[in-house]
Amino acid sequence: SAVISQKPSRDICQRGTSLTIQCQVDSQVTMMFWYRQQPGQSLTLIATANQGSEATYESGFVIDKFPISRPNLTFSTLTVSNMSPEDSSIYLCSVEDRWRGSTDTQYFGPGTRLTVL
Amino acid sequence: EDQVTQSPEALRLQEGESSSLNCSYTVSGLRGLFWYRQDPGKGPEFLFTLYSAGEEKEKERLKATLTKKESFLHITAPKPEDSATYLCAVQGAYGQNFVFGPGTRLSVLP
Repeated sequence: SAVISQKPSRDICQRGTSLTIQCQVDSQVTMMFWYRQQPGQSLTLIATANQGSEATYESGFVIDKFPISRPNLTFSTLTVSNMSPEDSSIYLCSVEDRWRGSTDTQYFGPGTRLTVL
Repeated sequence: EDQVTQSPEALRLQEGESSSLNCSYTVSGLRGLFWYRQDPGKGPEFLFTLYSAGEEKEKERLKATLTKKESFLHITAPKPEDSATYLCAVQGAYGQNFVFGPGTRLSVLP
């Protein structure tokens, strides 16, 4: 499976600021996703990062708050804008490689733990 | 709307005490059911994909099974290193996004 890295691994930010999280994959993949995992909760999909076009957002998530870029098939960024303490979560990048595999399995990065003060 | 529930919410076992975790789902046509393990502070680690009722997959002390309405993750003779949160997810037949369950927190005591 692909090796996925995320930067930063954790950060503590002030209210009102923005943070950009990077996701790098060691091989080209078809699909990239961004999830949020709030403390003690399961995973919630924020959006699908589309290469060369605007991301597809899930209900409850908007581009102004969570702008996403995907300039190529191995890299994506998620920005958490105008942060509030409610944005404190783990943010996870996942990938799905429909070219290579017979499955639609998603593989996850290590996550970025964000704390907003 | 696709939904996934998991039970129990938390499970405490003694080392060597076998048990099962349940994942119940409702989905408009199942494309796949996925089991993940998540350790604290880390991303989910893929364990199994199941596609059709009657299918079984095994890996070390873990065995996953699937029926038309639920999946079980059987843990045989668990060890303390099996302690983690186990997540179940489903994907609908039309390639929709994954829907994750709330997870089962497993603690295996030495």
